[in-house]
Amino acid sequence: EAQVTQNPRYLITVTGKKLTVTCSQNMNHEYMSWYRQDPGLGLRQIYYSMNVEVTDKGDVPEGYKVSRKEKRNFPLILESPSPNQTSLYFCASSSGSGANVLTFGAGSRLTVL
Amino acid sequence: DAKTTQPTSMDCAEGRAANLPCNHSTISGNEYVYWYRQIHSQGPQYIIHGLKNNETNEMASLIITEDRKSSTLILPHATLRDTAVYYCIVRDYRDDKIIFGKGTRLHILP
Repeated sequence: EAQVTQNPRYLITVTGKKLTVTCSQNMNHEYMSWYRQDPGLGLRQIYYSMNVEVTDKGDVPEGYKVSRKEKRNFPLILESPSPNQTSLYFCASSSGSGANVLTFGAGSRLTVL
Repeated sequence: DAKTTQPTSMDCAEGRAANLPCNHSTISGNEYVYWYRQIHSQGPQYIIHGLKNNETNEMASLIITEDRKSSTLILPHATLRDTAVYYCIVRDYRDDKIIFGKGTRLHILP
């Protein structure tokens, strides 16, 4: 089944403890992206990647890092999480051409205490 | 900022057609119109997309005006399961930044 898989789905952590949210897709998509969703603010793009070793900042990149060493994986790294990073996170992917339909993961709900 | 403007919320009676408008007055010639929906806090789900012509699939119809500055998503026979937030976005296949905005919260009334 074509899908985007995020882990963990739920996480409670403490301020300053480094964490990584993994994202993997099995559709050979070139494009991958991370979004965060907060009440009243909609979906905001954090980082995106057009292909392997190519990443760029979205609208809200502060406090996050990403890497794209393999086509299928696009982990989101919080080096020193803070409470304002408590949010619902979505990873998405799409092909680099054609229909370009975004496929989203199920989401990762992160709480930073 | 989002390239699209949508009403914050709408109501529709169950069984009736739900018509969700979207304004995209600055759309360029290479940009497609895409619609997604998000049920509760699930990942957004693709519904339909189009460039110039009207489109229909098993979920919905998309009507794009001739000048392409606005579009309407039509759910022909709305059910309670269609209650969701609906996002209209415009995107060129070369676009890297994809801005979703806040969408329209559709309430289906029994």
